Amino acid sequence: KQEVTQIPAALSVPEGENLVLNCSFTDSAIYNLQWFRQDPGKGLTSLLLIQSSQREQTSGRLNASLDKSSGRSTLYIAASQPGDSATYLCAVRPGSSNTGKLIFGQGTTLQVKP
Amino acid sequence: DGGITQSPKYLFRKEGQNVTLSCEQNLNHDAMYWYRQDPGQGLRLIYYSQIVNDFQKGDIAEGYSVSREKKESFPLTVTSAQKNPTAFYLCASTGTGGVYGYTFGSGTRLTVV
Repeated sequence: KQEVTQIPAALSVPEGENLVLNCSFTDSAIYNLQWFRQDPGKGLTSLLLIQSSQREQTSGRLNASLDKSSGRSTLYIAASQPGDSATYLCAVRPGSSNTGKLIFGQGTTLQVKP
Repeated sequence: DGGITQSPKYLFRKEGQNVTLSCEQNLNHDAMYWYRQDPGQGLRLIYYSQIVNDFQKGDIAEGYSVSREKKESFPLTVTSAQKNPTAFYLCASTGTGGVYGYTFGSGTRLTVV
């Protein structure tokens, strides 16, 4: 059974710092991995989608990496800003299932202080 | 712009009532999903549909029902059998095949009064 874990559960950093959010999964048979951002009371916004054959994806100040063999992904945020404060969720799409169901981690709540 | 529209944003349910949450997408996605989000429990799958006129139970389907009469629409009914319906409900869609990512709606917050 696929399980997804995100560490840390919460993180507080001063503005301008570079930071890394971690995501681990137990089964390397995945189609893809997706990072989302969720602001309080809002839906999920997709940040980056990494296919199982890819090693990383970049969008602006965000960079996500994928190491399937070790079951790990990281989301790197460069030069953090107060507007980056949100909960970040990692989700994998298992390759062993054709339902398309995503398996989510519990999320990392990030606070960037001015 | 393509996306998913959920309505209403806030919904209040009295004891014993059925309520229906709307989810509409214009992304031409085949698959649609309903998730429930509770504090400290993450997202849990309620129902999903991979094609019109077909849907499957997810992990917590008891007390819920859905229909998929049109590709664009996947409404969720919270029935009186759902004993603890207060939660944040999220609808999502994706294309057929493993390479596609998910798109989520903005959510509906349901509260029992």
